[in-house]
Amino acid sequence: AQSVAQPEDQVNVAEGNPLTVKCTYSVSGNPYLFWYVQYPNRGLQFLLKYITGDNLVKGSYGFEAEFNKSQTSFHLKKPSALVSDSALYFCAVREGYSSASKIIFGSGTRLSIRP
Amino acid sequence: GAVVSQHPSWVICKSGTSVKIECRSLDFQATTMFWYRQFPKQSLMLMATSNEGSKATYEQGVEKDKFLINHASLTLSTLTVTSAHPEDSSFYICSATPNNEKLFFGSGTQLSVL
Repeated sequence: AQSVAQPEDQVNVAEGNPLTVKCTYSVSGNPYLFWYVQYPNRGLQFLLKYITGDNLVKGSYGFEAEFNKSQTSFHLKKPSALVSDSALYFCAVREGYSSASKIIFGSGTRLSIRP
Repeated sequence: GAVVSQHPSWVICKSGTSVKIECRSLDFQATTMFWYRQFPKQSLMLMATSNEGSKATYEQGVEKDKFLINHASLTLSTLTVTSAHPEDSSFYICSATPNNEKLFFGSGTQLSVL
């Protein structure tokens, strides 16, 4: 069965500095990896995905993530953090590509950007 | 982008009553929808996979008779919390995908059982 781990409950970064939110995964087949963001009092929003192709994936709001097969990681990154990036971030993995393939979420990492 | 509508946004009910939550895909057809539960400051926990025209697939530890799921059409799935108790109080979120790639989420339903 697939699983995903986010080892950090919280990440604190000063505005303007680069940020990294860590994610590692475990699947038996090819992984399909996602990052979602949850802002306060709002629903989950899709940030980016890795299906196949380039290991560096670019997504919404200037975020990017690097797929590393040997380390089974999919860390989320941004070169320069904004205060508005403060939110709850979820990494997710999907095993299989059918519409019924379930997506499993990590425990979430709260990102806090200080001015 | 695709839109998933979830209703109601919040509901307060008495212990022992049943509550129905609706999830609709507004601009695409979804043969599969997913129901998640989120406890405060915790992750999304997949409860079940809703399949149009057939029985839902429940995750281990989720009571089928407690959380009834019906997926009667390609755009509507419902989750009914039967005989709700305070421990069922939680944030419930549905999701669906129009293209087998990214999920689109409903806005969630905050259930409070008194």
